Amino acid sequence: DIVMTQTPLSLSVTPGQPASISCKSSQSLLHSDGRTYLYWFLQKPGQSPQLLIYEISSRFSGVPDRFSGSGSGTDFTLKISRVEAEDVGVYYCVQGINLPFTFGPGTKVEIK
Amino acid sequence: QVQLQQSGPGLVKPSQTLSLTCDISGDSVSSNSAIWNWIRQSPSRGLEWLGRTYYRSKWSTDYAVSVKSRMTINPDTSKNQVSLQLNAVIPEDTAVYYCARARTRGHFDSWGQGTLVTVSS
Repeated sequence: DIVMTQTPLSLSVTPGQPASISCKSSQSLLHSDGRTYLYWFLQKPGQSPQLLIYEISSRFSGVPDRFSGSGSGTDFTLKISRVEAEDVGVYYCVQGINLPFTFGPGTKVEIK
Repeated sequence: QVQLQQSGPGLVKPSQTLSLTCDISGDSVSSNSAIWNWIRQSPSRGLEWLGRTYYRSKWSTDYAVSVKSRMTINPDTSKNQVSLQLNAVIPEDTAVYYCARARTRGHFDSWGQGTLVTVSS
């Protein structure tokens, strides 16, 4: 199975300040079809996870443009340009190139 | 707007069968552009993908190796729902179980509300 790791595992951010989360995969997520199957999800307290970013950098419908994704191969980053109170929760990266799909351990973001 | 409504018991005894149902509205279980997944979350294992089913001229189902021998995912076209059965449960199967729709691979764009299932006598 592909192992997903995330750093840091927790982050405390002042509102209006940027935040960055790193995700690394044990194998390249670049598929032979040319697409890279790396996703980012946010699980807000008491809620189901919600899709933020798909295929490295595409924002899902309704996701604010303060969220951006980048990276390639095995190294990926989620950035929040200016953290807002509603961004608190746990962020997960997920690989979709091989079964079983695997999730990172999560990065808990809280507001200072 | 697709909505996924989960139902099923919250308590299952060890060695018995866990059964959950995911009612789909706003999409069809037999859609050629949807994949129906089951995922669970526990403090010890985090988020764990369990399996999926989808229709592309015929039905296909995939399972995680860790549960393959005990799990069955079934679509029900008459009720527009997908079900999960996990046999011979053990306390380690205690988790919040989610159904989720994907457009492709890990693109889980809609999730059910989650069902906490506790395995205990």
